[in-house]
Amino acid sequence: AQTVTQSQPEMSVQEAETVTLSCTYDTSESDYYLFWYKQPPSRQMILVIRQEAYKQQNATENRFSVNFQKAAKSFSLKISDSQLGDAAMYFCAYRSVTQGGSEKLVFGKGTKLTVNP
Amino acid sequence: DVKVTQSSRYLVKRTGEKVFLECVQDMDHENMFWYRQDPGLGLRLIYFSYDVKMKEKGDIPEGYSVSREKKERFSLILESASTNQTSMYLCASSLFVPGSSQHFGDGTRLSIL
Repeated sequence: AQTVTQSQPEMSVQEAETVTLSCTYDTSESDYYLFWYKQPPSRQMILVIRQEAYKQQNATENRFSVNFQKAAKSFSLKISDSQLGDAAMYFCAYRSVTQGGSEKLVFGKGTKLTVNP
Repeated sequence: DVKVTQSSRYLVKRTGEKVFLECVQDMDHENMFWYRQDPGLGLRLIYFSYDVKMKEKGDIPEGYSVSREKKERFSLILESASTNQTSMYLCASSLFVPGSSQHFGDGTRLSIL
């Protein structure tokens, strides 16, 4: 079974600085999807960024980018120019492609990011 | 805009009660999911469904059941609530397409007294 590990329970960053959240995963599959989700305090969980394993190019969404190292099974999230609104729990998630569309997500335990003004 | 709606934001029930948590999505998604979120444990999948009347057990199905009579609605049922089921419950939905992302509701914070 796949597992996802987020080794940093909490992180902090100064406003306007850059922070990197770590995520590693374990799988024997060659094709899969990886996600970062953000859950602000008392608010809805939303998708930040998605990476397809067969694509070598790292995904980018505005200030959010990933460093995807397939051989190392590593999928870190970099947040540039951090803003107060980036403060949230961040979850890394893995999704298989073996079940034709009904695959479930496997989540890490999350990293709580604090942004200091 | 996509929408996953959970019927209650906060709910307080008593031990032994039968509890229903409702979730409705308006995106015509085939897949629907129920998670439980606890501090330090992340999200754990309780049940999911990829079609009407279909259900699959997740990682922690004990003490729960689900119902999916219509495509847009997925209900989580606590047959006889216990204090260890006090938690945040999240509903999500996604397309039946490999790699599609899940869309989440606001969550229901359930307290069992």
